[in-house]
Amino acid sequence: KAGVTQTPRYLIKTRGQQVTLSCSPISGHRSVSWYQQTPGQGLQFLFEYFSETQRNKGNFPGRFSGRQFSNSRSEMNVSTLELGDSALYLCASSSGPQGNQPQHFGDGTRLSIL
Amino acid sequence: SQKIEQNSEALNIQEGKTATLTCNYTNYSPAYLQWYRQDPGRGPVFLLLIRENEKEKRKERLKVTFDTTLKQSLFHITASQPADSATYLCALEGDSSASKIIFGSGTRLSIRP
Repeated sequence: KAGVTQTPRYLIKTRGQQVTLSCSPISGHRSVSWYQQTPGQGLQFLFEYFSETQRNKGNFPGRFSGRQFSNSRSEMNVSTLELGDSALYLCASSSGPQGNQPQHFGDGTRLSIL
Repeated sequence: SQKIEQNSEALNIQEGKTATLTCNYTNYSPAYLQWYRQDPGRGPVFLLLIRENEKEKRKERLKVTFDTTLKQSLFHITASQPADSATYLCALEGDSSASKIIFGSGTRLSIRP
């Protein structure tokens, strides 16, 4: 069974631009969660989608948004990029809603803002 | 506010010894607690999940305890090997349907031969 796939692996953008990251969950998984990981703040929860609906949202500004498609694939968008948005963005899928289910992570998209 | 702390940023252990990592939390009553392993440049890998009504869970050389009175989880790796060197993260989730998952900052474990 293929794991969680995130594309692209690396991305370089400049301030003010916007970016879209993609995540393909494990086949059959309906929950997709997004996280931001930085050396200073660690792994922080962005949002969770389950069956195309945003179920939970972390404490991030509205510039961070996402969506989930009917095939469970998910995209995350960040608008008006800031230097502080440089981070590793991780996607995780699980068979049920986030909670008593293990999270299966992809290897992330490394986003660098110049 | 909810807070989760892992005992130290780094832990160095001699091969063959038992490594013990600590995860403490405050202002929180998690229904579940999870442990993950993360290698450099990779995403975290799930290791174990323990529920609030479980005191201990084992998987091969791994053992996790969950003490809701002390608000603490201990993660043990017995007969440690250099291949166990990685960063280990604990994660908590509340028992509310609208809760979010919170990760600790991780403990970097190094097993020296």
